[in-house]
Amino acid sequence: AQSVSQHNHHVILSEAASLELGCNYSYGGTVNLFWYVQYPGQHLQLLLKYFSGDPLVKGIKGFEAEFIKSKFSFNLRKPSVQWSDTAEYFCAVSGSSNTGKLIFGQGTTLQVKP
Amino acid sequence: NAGVMQNPRHLVRRRGQEARLRCSPMKGHSHVYWYRQLPEEGLKFMVYLQKENIIDESGMPKERFSAEFPKEGPSILRIQQVVRGDSAAYFCASSPPTGGTDTQYFGPGTRLTVL
Repeated sequence: AQSVSQHNHHVILSEAASLELGCNYSYGGTVNLFWYVQYPGQHLQLLLKYFSGDPLVKGIKGFEAEFIKSKFSFNLRKPSVQWSDTAEYFCAVSGSSNTGKLIFGQGTTLQVKP
Repeated sequence: NAGVMQNPRHLVRRRGQEARLRCSPMKGHSHVYWYRQLPEEGLKFMVYLQKENIIDESGMPKERFSAEFPKEGPSILRIQQVVRGDSAAYFCASSPPTGGTDTQYFGPGTRLTVL
């Protein structure tokens, strides 16, 4: 079955700490991978995406993610978080050849303490 | 360029009533997706539409739910005879006509509460 698993449901960090959010997927075939962020009171915004090419993808606001095909993983990283990174983060996958429907993980709530 | 618009933002219905949720895609986008987020869960795909066509409705419940994207006007997600279990946030996303695998841009969602 197609699925996405985010390992951490709730993460609390202090400012300047490093961040890594885990994402593993189960999907047959070639995939596109996404991380979306939802800041409090706002709609989902795209942080970064991987379609093909360099497996290390850089996104907005200093975020990056690495696609490791052998591990079916697409973990999100940031070297130094800020209070403004407090948000909910969603990993998602779609098949490269299908209709584009996204399969989401359950989300990780990140709380950054000032 | 205005983003994806959804209205209403909040909708309260009593059991048995109908709920109509509207989504206006970004300018130039002709693909619309609907997702549902139940409490404590991630977003779940419901349906994918292009103008006047339902392309993929594999995530739609078999009864009471329907969706359309007419030639003119917004996309509508309609829930008939709502039940408490329909309480959720419903998100619409749109993407350009380049294809279904392009980036989807999300609206702010409609939070449906069924009393």
